[in-house]
Amino acid sequence: KAGVTQTPRYLIKTRGQQVTLSCSPISGHRSVSWYQQTPGQGLQFLFEYFSETQRNKGNFPGRFSGRQFSNSRSEMNVSTLELGDSALYLCASSRQGQGSEQFFGPGTRLTVL
Amino acid sequence: GQNIDQPTEMTATEGAIVQINCTYQTSGFNGLFWYQQHAGEAPTFLSYNVLDGLEEKGRFSSFLSRSKGYSYLLLKELQMKDSASYLCAVRDHDSGAGSYQLTFGKGTKLSVIP
Repeated sequence: KAGVTQTPRYLIKTRGQQVTLSCSPISGHRSVSWYQQTPGQGLQFLFEYFSETQRNKGNFPGRFSGRQFSNSRSEMNVSTLELGDSALYLCASSRQGQGSEQFFGPGTRLTVL
Repeated sequence: GQNIDQPTEMTATEGAIVQINCTYQTSGFNGLFWYQQHAGEAPTFLSYNVLDGLEEKGRFSSFLSRSKGYSYLLLKELQMKDSASYLCAVRDHDSGAGSYQLTFGKGTKLSVIP
């Protein structure tokens, strides 16, 4: 059974640009959650999608957005990038949402110059 | 909101036992997870507690006291490969929204030395 995949694995952007990250969950999992991980703040919840609907949202500005497709694949978009957006972005899939065991992808390392 | 505290770093000797503590404050507690994350890798699930008591899984055990807002992860017979960050995560139930949210602590970096 294939695990959670994320693309791209590494990305370098400059301030003001926008970026789109992709996550393919484990087959049969309907929930995808996105997290930002930095050395100082640890793992912080961005949002969760379940069956194409955003179900939960963390405390991030509106520059961070996402969506989920009918095949459960999810994308996350960050607009007007800032230096502080440099981080590891992880997605996690689960069958029923954040209440159940989550399986994490390898992450996308975003560097903003 | 939630407040989750765990030590930033710990060091232990190969073959020994180490206990990593996690304290939390939450309004709608509905379970606690422990994840392991090796440097440069994604977190992987270790354990889940929703009722008070000890859950044992091989060399790893996790304990929960809901009244004290306290959990610990116990690692026995430490091996060098156990050097990693250990993340405590609390599941909170939002009865209004009818959904759950998972909040992670900042993690405890464990170094196992020979």
